[in-house]
Amino acid sequence: EPEVTQTPSHQVTQMGQEVILRCVPISNHLYFYWYRQILGQKVEFLVSFYNNEISEKSEIFDDQFSVERPDGSNFTLKIRSTKLEDSAMYFCASSYDRDNGYTFGSGTRLTVV
Amino acid sequence: GNSVTQMEGPVTLSEEAFLTINCTYTATGYPSLFWYVQYPGEGLQLLLKATKADDKGSNKGFEATYRKETTSFHLEKGSVQVSDSAVYFCALRYSGGGADGLTFGKGTHLIIQP
Repeated sequence: EPEVTQTPSHQVTQMGQEVILRCVPISNHLYFYWYRQILGQKVEFLVSFYNNEISEKSEIFDDQFSVERPDGSNFTLKIRSTKLEDSAMYFCASSYDRDNGYTFGSGTRLTVV
Repeated sequence: GNSVTQMEGPVTLSEEAFLTINCTYTATGYPSLFWYVQYPGEGLQLLLKATKADDKGSNKGFEATYRKETTSFHLEKGSVQVSDSAVYFCALRYSGGGADGLTFGKGTHLIIQP
């Protein structure tokens, strides 16, 4: 069964550093998403991406965040200057259309120290 | 705004017991409703969905019915197995206005004992 692949599975970074979280969505999917889950809290929507542009973003997705689809297969989330409160599990997801559920990756655990 | 409320966990049951995990929602309009499951060390997997009132989603013995009158989407299974131990998330997506992000509940940790 096709999978969404995320790398790395765990990343530790120093406060103020830039991080890039990588995702390979399912190849024929058209919609791409990032979510995050702070430990013990809800899974929160960050951003959706379609047709090479952001289609929706939440209040969490401020100027420190950006997304890119640099080639035909990868979908990245960049955090420009990490803060302690950015520590969370980040999930990438993709879908073929907007009427069905998404396929999620296994997540990247980001720890900011 | 939209929100999803799930029963607090952990929920601990014996194998073959009947399972109910409550989920209620607040949303404008008519959202689509989902249950996702997260097994240890894995990502979120879609378990079932319902897109309109009175729809019943079902998969792997789990069922949930979209109840507009009570704004609920409770998850049920008649006889649980140890392999059902996981975290279950109720979620909604508002179908109008171009919004396509999911709103999740906090998740319910289910533990099934042999």
